[in-house]
Formats: sequence, C-alpha cells, structure tokens
Amino acid sequence: SAVISQKPSRDICQRGTSLTIQCQVDSQVTMMFWYRQQPGQSLTLIATANQGSEATYESGFVIDKFPISRPNLTFSTLTVSNMSPEDSSIYLCSVEDLGVNGYTFGSGTRLTVV
Amino acid sequence: AQSVSQHNHHVILSEAASLELGCNYSYGGTVNLFWYVQYPGQHLQLLLKYFSGDPLVKGIKGFEAEFIKSKFSFNLRKPSVQWSDTAEYFCAVTSSGGSYIPTFGRGTSLIVHP
Repeated sequence: SAVISQKPSRDICQRGTSLTIQCQVDSQVTMMFWYRQQPGQSLTLIATANQGSEATYESGFVIDKFPISRPNLTFSTLTVSNMSPEDSSIYLCSVEDLGVNGYTFGSGTRLTVV
Repeated sequence: AQSVSQHNHHVILSEAASLELGCNYSYGGTVNLFWYVQYPGQHLQLLLKYFSGDPLVKGIKGFEAEFIKSKFSFNLRKPSVQWSDTAEYFCAVTSSGGSYIPTFGRGTSLIVHP
C-alpha cells in the first residue's frame, strides 16, 4: 500500500498567521484529498487536488483560505491562511490506494491556533 | 448526496465482550463501504471493505462487517474485544453514482477495559 508522509505532525500558531502542511506519497497518484477532522466530528473533505490543475473545493471551503498546491504526482501542500482559533483541527491528506482498494491517509497535522 | 450515520459515539466494554458498531448510509444506488480504525496517536487504517459479492466481509484483527442492503447498513462486529482494540472507528461510503470520494460517519470511540 501507499505510504504517506505528512508534516508537520503538530503546530501551535498565532491567529492571523498561515501554516503550510506538506504531504509526500511514495508512489505516483492522480488525486490527493485534504480533509479536516474537528474534535468529536467526522472527517470533512476540504478539496481534491489533481496534478496540473486547480484544486476542487467542497462547499464551505475556499481557495483564499485554503490554497492548495500540487506540483507533481507525489506531493501536495495545503495552506491554512489567516488562521483563527476556529481553524484548530486535525488536517489529513489522503490518496486513493489501488494496492488496498481503498484510501490511505497521512498521519495528520494537529493544528492549534491561539 | 450520500451520507453516513454512526449511532454509537462512545462505547465502553470489558475485554472478551462482543462488539457491534452501527453504521447506516443513505444512498439508493451502488455503494462501496469501508470501516477505518484510528488507534491512539496513529493514522487512519483500513479495517475492511465491501465492494460486491458476499455481504459478510472479514477484515484484519478478527473484525467483520455485514452489508444488509435492505437496511442500508454495514455494522462492524467482533466476537471478543481486546484492550488493544481501543480506538476510534469510522464508517465510510463511496458510490458509483454519487461520490467516489469517501464520505465518513462521525466516528465511534471504543474504550476496552482490561
């Protein structure tokens, strides 16, 4: 199965600043997905990132707040911009993993905004 | 749109007790169903999946789940839990006519006392 390296694993940030989360996959994948997991809540899809095109955002998420880069088939970044305490959450990247016929997830980034 | 409902948010059991976690989905077409597990401090891992065929699927670590189409359910079971099963469990669905990207339930926190 695919192996995903996600970093940072956690961070504490000041409100108004931005944080970029990186996701590296050990194999080429067409689509990468970014999720948010708030405490006691389900995983919510933020956007789908395809290489060579703009990310597709879900309702309630916008590019200005969560810009995404996908420069190649193994790497993506998610930036959380102009952060507020409401952005405190776990952010996860995921890929469709044909090796397991399912989806594989990174270890997550636990973000706390103070 | 597809959705997933997990009825038990918190379950506490003693070792050797039997486990059943409920999962219901809403989508009238063909679905693929997944159970993911997240052990403390670890990333989401695929526990088992159903695509087609035998509605009773067996996964890792003695877990199984039964797809009952008439009830739109995919409940997770284990006859005898262990302390090491303490984790968060997520049910997810994809569909051929809805979204191929997983929609997750809210999750069930399972605590097993030794």
